[in-house]
Amino acid sequence: GENVEQHPSTLSVQEGDSAVIKCTYSDSASNYFPWYKQELGKGPQLIIDIRSNVGEKKDQRIAVTLNKTAKHFSLHITETQPEDSAVYFCAADAGGTSYGKLTFGQGTILTVHP
Amino acid sequence: NAGVTQTPKFRVLKTGQSMTLLCAQDMNHEYMYWYRQDPGMGLRLIHYSVGEGTTAKGEVPDGYNVSRLKKQNFLLGLESAAPSQTSVYFCASSYEGRTILLGETQYFGPGTRLLVL
Repeated sequence: GENVEQHPSTLSVQEGDSAVIKCTYSDSASNYFPWYKQELGKGPQLIIDIRSNVGEKKDQRIAVTLNKTAKHFSLHITETQPEDSAVYFCAADAGGTSYGKLTFGQGTILTVHP
Repeated sequence: NAGVTQTPKFRVLKTGQSMTLLCAQDMNHEYMYWYRQDPGMGLRLIHYSVGEGTTAKGEVPDGYNVSRLKKQNFLLGLESAAPSQTSVYFCASSYEGRTILLGETQYFGPGTRLLVL
């Protein structure tokens, strides 16, 4: 089955700096790569996703890049703010008729210091 | 439009007790999922359903049962709780049943925190 590795497990930055979180996946059939943000005591919330037919997607301060050949994808947050502090999860689907099932990375705890 | 809701929010059980966690969604989604979240391990899929009356095993199904009698509800049961089932449980749903994209966004509920003593 799919295996998703996420790094780093913790990331500490100063407000205004950029943050990058990287994930690798094992199943070449994967087509869909979402990123979720989880605030304390809440459920994960989708912040951005990318599908295999594009290499990069941007939404204001957040961007995601995908390299299907190398089987890795990354989340980039620019001009970080304290409210960006949370746990971030990457995920990958199983491709084909997988009924939307996702395999998640282990999570990255991002702390943005004012 | 409440999205995905879960009840209860928190529960304490003794070893051997049983309980049912309820997930409800009002987005008319076909697919529903139950995950457990443990420190350092991300979210792991317990069971899932691709439509009313259907269920299937995920990555960590042992010790759990599920039912999807109505499209909007997905129940997770623990017949005989064990301390290893102490976790935070999340329900999610996806797919409105129309054109399938390359991947479907999952929407998560707020979670149920379960402590088994």
